[in-house]
Amino acid sequence: EVQLVVSGGGLVKPGGSLRLSCAASRFTFNTYSMNWVRQAPGKGLEWVSSISSSSNYIFYADSVKGRFTISRDNAKNSLYMQMNSLRVEDTAVYYCARGGRGVVTATPFDYWGQGTLVTVSS
Amino acid sequence: DIQLTQSPSFLSASVGGRVTITCRASQGISSYLAWYQQKPGKAPKLLIYAASTLQSGVPSRFSGSGSGTEFTLTISSLQPEDFATYYCQQLSSYPLYSFGQGTKLEIK
Repeated sequence: EVQLVVSGGGLVKPGGSLRLSCAASRFTFNTYSMNWVRQAPGKGLEWVSSISSSSNYIFYADSVKGRFTISRDNAKNSLYMQMNSLRVEDTAVYYCARGGRGVVTATPFDYWGQGTLVTVSS
Repeated sequence: DIQLTQSPSFLSASVGGRVTITCRASQGISSYLAWYQQKPGKAPKLLIYAASTLQSGVPSRFSGSGSGTEFTLTISSLQPEDFATYYCQQLSSYPLYSFGQGTKLEIK
């Protein structure tokens, strides 16, 4: 079955940086769009960013635009999120999730990684 | 931005019972709606997409309906493993996906 393994979370001070990784296996990674979704402690789900299969199309939520950068390495079957200028309100569990084939479309997220906790605190 | 409002936010029901959760969109989204189940400490799991299509492997006691601005998720004959939090997601305004605030289903 499809597997997505998220890593890279941890404790960081406000203004700091962190890089999340999502290792994909058991599917043809380079044919699917991918997404990051986060969930603050005790709160609901928030879409963060999406990237098309060939990285041609990239989108961000307004809350992270200009601070976070999504990328992927299809040769390594991996998705990344570089998070800079972190704020207390970025504290959340971050999930990667598989989207549809090719470009970013109206396709639900059918597989999710286990999530990694990012805590931004002084 | 399209807002999704779920009701109720909390729901208490018994094993074997039937529940319905509603998701209302701030503007029409055709059938571009998905439902997810999330258990504590776990990632969300896709249950239903295109408002009423059951994801592979999801039990048939789950069903979805609706179009436009009003949608429902119904769980018939509740099982112990169904007690979780449920979220709707709109896909109409991709890539600006949005989720409802969630409905927590608890055992009565």
